[in-house]
Amino acid sequence: NAGVTQTPKFQVLKTGQSMTLQCAQDMNHEYMSWYRQDPGMGLRLIHYSVGAGITDQGEVPNGYNVSRSTTEDFPLRLLSAAPSQTSVYFCASSKRGSWRETQYFGPGTRLLVL
Amino acid sequence: KNQVEQSPQSLIILEGKNCTLQCNYTVSPFSNLRWYKQDTGRGPVSLTIMTFSENTKSNGRYTATLDADTKQSSLHITASQLSDSASYICVLHGASYDKVIFGPGTSLSVIP
Repeated sequence: NAGVTQTPKFQVLKTGQSMTLQCAQDMNHEYMSWYRQDPGMGLRLIHYSVGAGITDQGEVPNGYNVSRSTTEDFPLRLLSAAPSQTSVYFCASSKRGSWRETQYFGPGTRLLVL
Repeated sequence: KNQVEQSPQSLIILEGKNCTLQCNYTVSPFSNLRWYKQDTGRGPVSLTIMTFSENTKSNGRYTATLDADTKQSSLHITASQLSDSASYICVLHGASYDKVIFGPGTSLSVIP
């Protein structure tokens, strides 16, 4: 199993550009989420999905869109990038939404918005 | 004020020594408290999980404790190894999936 994979590893954008961060998992997990990690702060939940076709907002959803058309994939879209979105983005998945389930994180995507 | 605070912010120890990392939280109620290890350039990996009613959990050389009365948790690392160099993150999970609060982490460096 590859686990949780994320692409790209690094990306530089100009303000106003759009892009999609890809996330895929091969563990048949129902739950998937996106987090951002900023220096000196804990990871913060952006969006999450409890299954194909179902998504919901986390703590910091503004400026980001998600969709979940398959169990495996959960892309994160930035429609108009802003410097405040410079961060490291992590995708995670778990079997179910119960607190007993361990979340498995991808390796992250480092995004720089100029 | 952050709901989850960790101390120290960073720590350097000699290989073979023990260390203890602290996590103080104000958020309540919560379902469980986890400690994660995050290697540089990688995603976090779960080390231990404790429910509200548990007060200690071990995973090899890692031992986590939880005092619900004082709202404090600690992660004790025994006989440190160079591979323990990483950031250690305390995380509180609430009853629902979106109720999760990550601490800022403690950066640990183990030197020869």
